[in-house]
Amino acid sequence: GENVEQHPSTLSVQEGDSAVIKCTYSDSASNYFPWYKQELGKRPQLIIDIRSNVGEKKDQRIAVTLNKTAKHFSLHITETQPEDSAVYFCAASIASGGSYIPTFGRGTSLIVHP
Amino acid sequence: SAVISQKPSRDICQRGTSLTIQCQVDSQVTMMFWYRQQPGQSLTLIATANQGSEATYESGFVIDKFPISRPNLTFSTLTVSNMSPEDSSIYLCSVGRGSSTDTQYFGPGTRLTVL
Repeated sequence: GENVEQHPSTLSVQEGDSAVIKCTYSDSASNYFPWYKQELGKRPQLIIDIRSNVGEKKDQRIAVTLNKTAKHFSLHITETQPEDSAVYFCAASIASGGSYIPTFGRGTSLIVHP
Repeated sequence: SAVISQKPSRDICQRGTSLTIQCQVDSQVTMMFWYRQQPGQSLTLIATANQGSEATYESGFVIDKFPISRPNLTFSTLTVSNMSPEDSSIYLCSVGRGSSTDTQYFGPGTRLTVL
C-alpha cells in the first residue's frame, strides 16, 4: 500500500518567515495530494490540494509543489502569522471504488512565534 | 463543502461497554469514512461505510470491534465495542465530495475516553 513520509515533525518560525513542509510518497499511482490544517481541538480542514497533472498551485500565502518523478510534494507558507500555528497533514490519494482514499503523513506541528 | 455533524462530541465510558457515534451530512454523499486519531497522532482510516452493503475495513480493524451502519446516503454510525483504555481516541467521520469524490471533508469528531 501507499506510504507517506512527512518532515519535519515540528517546525518553529518567527512571524513573517516562510515555512516549508515536505512529504514523499511511495506509490506512483497516487494522483491527488491534499493538505489539511488541524488547529488544536478542531477537525482537519482542507487548505490546498494538487493533482498529478499540475506541478505547482498557489492560493494567497500558501503554495504546493509536486515532483512526480521524485515522488515528493511540499507545502510552502509565506509571511507566516501566529494564526498559521497548527498541525499540518499531507496526504496521497489513490482512486478506490470510485473515490479517493488518502494515506496521511504523520503531521507537522507548525509554531509561529509573534 | 459539506456540513457534517457528529454525536456525541465527547464521552467518558467504562471499560467493557460500547458507544455508538452518529454522523449526519446535510446532503447525499456516496462515500463516508470513519477515522481514528489517537492523541498527537495522524489520521488512521478504520473503514469505508458503503450504503446498502457491508463496510470495507482496513487492516487491523474488524467488524466485531467496530460495527458500522449506513442506512442511507446522509447518515452513518460507528460503534466501538467492548471498549478498553486503548480505544481512547478521537473518532472522525468524513465524506467524499467533488466531481470525482476525491476531496474529503471531516466532521467535528467525537472525543472518547475509556476508563
